[in-house]
Amino acid sequence: AQSVTQLGSHVSVSEGALVLLRCNYSSSVPPYLFWYVQYPNQGLQLLLKYTTGATLVKGINGFEAEFKKSETSFHLTKPSAHMSDAAEYFCAVTGGGYNKLIFGAGTRLAVHP
Amino acid sequence: DAGVTQSPTHLIKTRGQQVTLRCSPKSGHDTVSWYQQALGQGPQFIFQYYEEEERQRGNFPDRFSGHQFPNYSSELNVNALLLGDSALYLCASSLTRHTTDTQYFGPGTRLTVL
Repeated sequence: AQSVTQLGSHVSVSEGALVLLRCNYSSSVPPYLFWYVQYPNQGLQLLLKYTTGATLVKGINGFEAEFKKSETSFHLTKPSAHMSDAAEYFCAVTGGGYNKLIFGAGTRLAVHP
Repeated sequence: DAGVTQSPTHLIKTRGQQVTLRCSPKSGHDTVSWYQQALGQGPQFIFQYYEEEERQRGNFPDRFSGHQFPNYSSELNVNALLLGDSALYLCASSLTRHTTDTQYFGPGTRLTVL
């Protein structure tokens, strides 16, 4: 069985500050991990994904995430927040042969001036 | 290249009615998955279609059914609607069913059950 826990349903940062969104996973098979972003009244857009290889993954819009197997974590970071980053962020996991996504509950990021 | 498209955008139904939602996958994709996103929650997997057959199913009752057509487009049907079925229904397509294949999402259909 697989599951995802996102710590913090709401995160608020100042424009220009570091963004850190936390994701921990549980998986009985080697996990493949994803971060998606959802803007209001829209579908989900892929930010980045980890499959195999390099554990530091770079995505779109300046985001990156690091896969840490020992900590079962896949936290999302961005060095400097922009107002346009305000959205809902979802961490997800697949594994076991098929690409059925198991999502966390999401973290709403607010960016204030 | 058009991405994943869904119709309709919004839908209002009453309890007990039936609804059909439609999805066209991204060009070249043959696998379609459906997700339900209740307000304030993450999407939950309903089922996945490949080669016109349901290949995987999440923890949803039989009231939820689907279909995939030869052109890979798909429909989600929900019978005997309940108030709790109110949600954003997301369709996602991928090149294959392989674990690492990215799923591309459509904008969703907002279903309201009164």
